[in-house]
Amino acid sequence: DAGVIQSPRHEVTEMGQEVTLRCKPISGHDYLFWYRQTMMRGLELLIYFNNNVPIDDSGMPEDRFSAKMPNASFSTLKIQPSEPRDSAVYFCASSFSGYGYTFGSGTRLTVV
Amino acid sequence: ELKVEQNPLFLSMQEGKNYTIYCNYSTTSDRLYWYRQDPGKSLESLFVLLSNGAVKQEGRLMASLDTKARLSTLHITAAVHDLSATYFCAVPSMNRDDKIIFGKGTRLHILP
Repeated sequence: DAGVIQSPRHEVTEMGQEVTLRCKPISGHDYLFWYRQTMMRGLELLIYFNNNVPIDDSGMPEDRFSAKMPNASFSTLKIQPSEPRDSAVYFCASSFSGYGYTFGSGTRLTVV
Repeated sequence: ELKVEQNPLFLSMQEGKNYTIYCNYSTTSDRLYWYRQDPGKSLESLFVLLSNGAVKQEGRLMASLDTKARLSTLHITAAVHDLSATYFCAVPSMNRDDKIIFGKGTRLHILP
């Protein structure tokens, strides 16, 4: 298995632009998690899905952030409009049956 | 609310020395996870400890779990520079699903 695949690896965008991050979980995994990591705030859970259904989005910073999982093999995290404080590394992870997460390589987002 | 506390948060040590990282958690859990994150990289699963008394070893790293004490340890034997990384422990949330709660991480720097 290729693992959890995220794209793009790096994204540089201007303030106010829309940003879409993508994630393909491991086939057969029924949970998908979106995290954000910064030096100041550490690792933060944004939202997670079970069988494509959002379970908890209480970590989403504000209405500018949205996430979807239209099917078992694809999820997106969208920021619109983006702001410099959104600059961070965004990780997607998937899991199955409580054996812990497999993380993707992450997307490093820079908003200028 | 479940809390996961690691100590120390920062550790600088010389090659060849032994040391232990501690992970305490606040509620009952029968499993615990350890992850490693190299600078600029993603999180990688190190150990999954599934029961009280579980011990797992890989190379110079050994992890153990005491569910009664709500404590896990990650022991480093004869440290080498390649083990420099941030180590996270995590335990399942109280949601009875796959969500896990991470500690803040221990940044380990091994001096040559």
